[in-house]
Amino acid sequence: KNQVEQSPQSLIILEGKNCTLQCNYTVSPFSNLRWYKQDTGRGPVSLTIMTFSENTKSNGRYTATLDADTKQSSLHITASQLSDSASYICVVRLVGISNFGNEKLTFGTGTRLTIIP
Amino acid sequence: DSGVTQTPKHLITATGQRVTLRCSPRSGDLSVYWYQQSLDQGLQFLIQYYNGEERAKGNILERFSAQQFPDLHSELNLSSLELGDSALYFCASSVRDRSYNEQFFGPGTRLTVL
Repeated sequence: KNQVEQSPQSLIILEGKNCTLQCNYTVSPFSNLRWYKQDTGRGPVSLTIMTFSENTKSNGRYTATLDADTKQSSLHITASQLSDSASYICVVRLVGISNFGNEKLTFGTGTRLTIIP
Repeated sequence: DSGVTQTPKHLITATGQRVTLRCSPRSGDLSVYWYQQSLDQGLQFLIQYYNGEERAKGNILERFSAQQFPDLHSELNLSSLELGDSALYFCASSVRDRSYNEQFFGPGTRLTVL
């Protein structure tokens, strides 16, 4: 069972509408959580990064929230545009066991978002 | 453009063969990561290097190996290729290897094994 679950698997919405993507994780101890946007056939691009002490972070029309108690995060997209069509990936990073931070990452399988005109 | 370059863009080869994928990190970045993304699958972390040394291993098969050279570029070697190795392979880099460091991804190499 994947320790980072994203929902829905896919979503289709009309241009201009808002949407919210979910990420539930069970991995611990938790260091930080990131949301990436990945256009088809391209590398992921970071949207937001949050530590366990942060509740919300915005990047333009993207707002991520984090509840470390319930181990849930969401990504809210406001006034969607055609260019928002992409996969959105939630990535949870474990605390490293060394001072330098062992890069232990757990990736969600992503939500495929399609914006239609 | 993330500043991370990967070559080649596309690679088509046969089962049993060996290939080498190359990655050049962003200028100033010391850490390099390799990921595999199969069709409709999530990103799988393979391995990380920091300043020439292996730092972390993920789900990397024994048939795969990697290294980071003194000029900080990295190569991922895939041998005894199987059909299931067909995937997108991404390289990412970050300034350090700290858990908070943002990773910047390259455009990927699409490997097709026939």
